[in-house]
Amino acid sequence: DAGVIQSPRHEVTEMGQEVTLRCKPISGHDYLFWYRQTMMRGLELLIYFNNNVPIDDSGMPEDRFSAKMPNASFSTLKIQPSEPRDSAVYFCASSLGGGGTYGYTFGSGTRLTVV
Amino acid sequence: AQKVTQAQTEISVVEKEDVTLDCVYETRDTTYYLFWYKQPPSGELVFLIRRNSFDEQNEISGRYSWNFQKSTSSFNFTITASQVVDSAVYFCALRGYSTLTFGKGTMLLVSP
Repeated sequence: DAGVIQSPRHEVTEMGQEVTLRCKPISGHDYLFWYRQTMMRGLELLIYFNNNVPIDDSGMPEDRFSAKMPNASFSTLKIQPSEPRDSAVYFCASSLGGGGTYGYTFGSGTRLTVV
Repeated sequence: AQKVTQAQTEISVVEKEDVTLDCVYETRDTTYYLFWYKQPPSGELVFLIRRNSFDEQNEISGRYSWNFQKSTSSFNFTITASQVVDSAVYFCALRGYSTLTFGKGTMLLVSP
């Protein structure tokens, strides 16, 4: 299995531009999570999906952030417009079941820099 | 609400020393899972162990061992005979009925 695949690995963009981060979960996993990692706040959950349906988006910082999961094998996290404070590493993770029984597998992350 | 506390921000040891990383958690859930992840300098999050709240048996995997004590809400991680390759940030995490909550992490630096 190729694991959770995220793209791009690195993204540098100018303030005000739209940014789209992509994630392909492990085949068969029914939960998908988006996390953001910063020095100040650590790893924080932004949103998670179950069977492609968003369940909890209370961690999404503001309306500039949106996430979709059009099918079981693809999810996007979009920031529009981007701001320098959005600079962080964004991780996608997937799991079989949400209860943690089988653990969570994380992608390699996307390092976003907004200048 | 869930909370995970890793009081040690950074630990420095010399190779071959034993080191223990502390993790204390808070949850009102009766069933929960505890995890440890390793984040090496390359940045990925590597799963190390999962323990459910009904299993307080300690676990050993090579040089790694974990001590789960429900009475003190702790899930500590010990590396025996540390090596330079163990240098990384280590995260403790908790999942109850809601989602996975991480501690702030402990940076471990192992010097040769």
